Amino acid sequence: QQQVKQSPQSLIVQKGGISIINCAYENTAFDYFPWYQQFPGKGPALLIAIRPDVSEKKEGRFTISFNKSAKQFSLHIMDSQPGDSATYFCAASSPETSGSRLTFGEGTQLTVNP
Amino acid sequence: DAGITQSPRYKITETGRQVTLMCHQTWSHSYMFWYRQDLGHGLRLIYYSAAADITDKGEVPDGYVVSRSKTENFPLTLESATRSQTSVYFCASKSYNEQFFGPGTRLTVL
Repeated sequence: QQQVKQSPQSLIVQKGGISIINCAYENTAFDYFPWYQQFPGKGPALLIAIRPDVSEKKEGRFTISFNKSAKQFSLHIMDSQPGDSATYFCAASSPETSGSRLTFGEGTQLTVNP
Repeated sequence: DAGITQSPRYKITETGRQVTLMCHQTWSHSYMFWYRQDLGHGLRLIYYSAAADITDKGEVPDGYVVSRSKTENFPLTLESATRSQTSVYFCASKSYNEQFFGPGTRLTVL
């Protein structure tokens, strides 16, 4: 059962544009929502994360928007650059599960054209 | 080198053969994880371990076996490889909320 749904599967953006990736979850016990970035041939790496007590978190050009009532969260990449081209995964975890293990979305392949 | 390493990085094997993928971390993190990555499925948890000698099944454990005799090592064994196990496998360890991933092993089962 896929508990975190991610869209779109792929995204093409022009340099300088805004990239938006969306995720929806079902489990209301989730209390930690990270985004991971993966470059080709590499393992995923933590990009930014949010907890449901805030509606937005910004780190540089990357912003997470969180809507608890809708059970949705999204990643916004402002002023997208070719170096941002990567696969992005949203994820969620619950303190009720052993190790607060992560449930990942399906991934979004982002291409930023120069 | 500090961090998390996986070996081999690439492996081609035949159906029915036993394969072991190695994972080593230098941080002494308690939790370690094995994922497989397939297009359209994201990262799916195979097995995880809370500490040495403590392991548990994840989302897709069938056909896989794990062990953890030492904190730093977490090998994953495919007892009798099948074509459906062709995938990229990632090992990870966890510190607080952040998971640190290895570089992955690309496994092809012919």
